[in-house]
Amino acid sequence: GAGVSQSPSNKVTEKGKDVELRCDPISGHTALYWYRQSLGQGLEFLIYFQGNSAPDKSGLPSDRFSAERTGGSVSTLTIQRTQQEDSAVYLCASSPPGGETQYFGPGTRLLVL
Amino acid sequence: QQQVKQSPQSLIVQKGGISIINCAYENTAFDYFPWYQQFPGKGPALLIAIRPDVSEKKEGRFTISFNKSAKQFSLHIMDSQPGDSATYFCAASMSWSEKLVFGKGTKLTVNP
Repeated sequence: GAGVSQSPSNKVTEKGKDVELRCDPISGHTALYWYRQSLGQGLEFLIYFQGNSAPDKSGLPSDRFSAERTGGSVSTLTIQRTQQEDSAVYLCASSPPGGETQYFGPGTRLLVL
Repeated sequence: QQQVKQSPQSLIVQKGGISIINCAYENTAFDYFPWYQQFPGKGPALLIAIRPDVSEKKEGRFTISFNKSAKQFSLHIMDSQPGDSATYFCAASMSWSEKLVFGKGTKLTVNP
């Protein structure tokens, strides 16, 4: 079956522009996570959606970052007024109801010039 | 505050050797400890995971050893192969459905 997909795979933008990153989780998975992976760093949690519950936004680094999940499926991570320090790989993961494994997508590589 | 500390940062092993990667955690509320494997250009993939009620879990050539009192866990790769060359991340969470806290990763190179 299809895994987690993310688009675009690569994004180059200019400082100050807004970007939207998309995640399509595995069908039927109720939990969806966004992580950020900077060069030489581990994965940093950003935000977590579980079913219809309010999302856990505790990892968002600033108010320039936001995310939504429509219809309990597709999610969009939006970064407003991008900064050079936002350059990283943004990874999305999903997990099934009652499941503990998080399945990761291939990521979106964001470069802010 | 880094909640999960991973070492070494990089590791070079000969084919057939044993690769050992160590992690230490601080939060005693963590109860799920997975290891992820990541190849260049790919997302991480679950390799093996353990809960604190057991001290060891083995799956094929991969073994997790867990020391609850020391708040440490490690990944052992037996008979390491060049195909095992990848970056390995340890992680921890407070329950199966919660966010993962990751170590900074170990880049493993297995020479033929």
